[in-house]
Amino acid sequence: EDQVTQSPEALRLQEGESSSLNCSYTVSGLRGLFWYRQDPGKGPEFLFTLYSAGEEKEKERLKATLTKKESFLHITAPKPEDSATYLCAVQPYNTDKLIFGTGTRLQVFP
Amino acid sequence: EPEVTQTPSHQVTQMGQEVILRCVPISNHLYFYWYRQILGQKVEFLVSFYNNEISEKSEIFDDRFSVERPDGSNFTLKIRSTKLEDSAMYFCATGQTEVGEAFFGQGTRLTVV
Repeated sequence: EDQVTQSPEALRLQEGESSSLNCSYTVSGLRGLFWYRQDPGKGPEFLFTLYSAGEEKEKERLKATLTKKESFLHITAPKPEDSATYLCAVQPYNTDKLIFGTGTRLQVFP
Repeated sequence: EPEVTQTPSHQVTQMGQEVILRCVPISNHLYFYWYRQILGQKVEFLVSFYNNEISEKSEIFDDRFSVERPDGSNFTLKIRSTKLEDSAMYFCATGQTEVGEAFFGQGTRLTVV
């Protein structure tokens, strides 16, 4: 069965304290892996798409990487405005749907 | 920046009633989706829609649910005979291709009482 597991469930960081979020996945064949940011009461906001192992994408303080079994979202020198829930999703082959993990709730304190 | 627009933002309905959730997709997008998120739980796929027909649906999308593009622009989700367990945030998402990122709207919070 295709599934996505994210860890940790919650992460508290001091402003400027870098860290990584993990997304482990099991999928019959990977079409793409997606990272989204979700603020409370809002819809997921697209961040990155990764298609193959070894691929990396960067945007401001965020960097996403992909291996055959997991993806990491690295946050460098985070700021309070980076506080949100970060969602990982996979799209298996031969399907339109995204399968989401439960997310990592990140809080960055000044 | 183009965005997916959903209305209403909050809908309260009595159990057994019908509701229609509306979405205005990004203009050049061809693939449309509905997802839902029960409070504190994962975002779950409901249905995908392309070329005016359903391309895939989940087990959640039973015969009480339907989707359509009534006027070629709006994309709607109709739920008949609503149940308490239908209470959730419903998200519309759209994409340019079947592979790649989906852009989500801000959601409609449906409360069935």
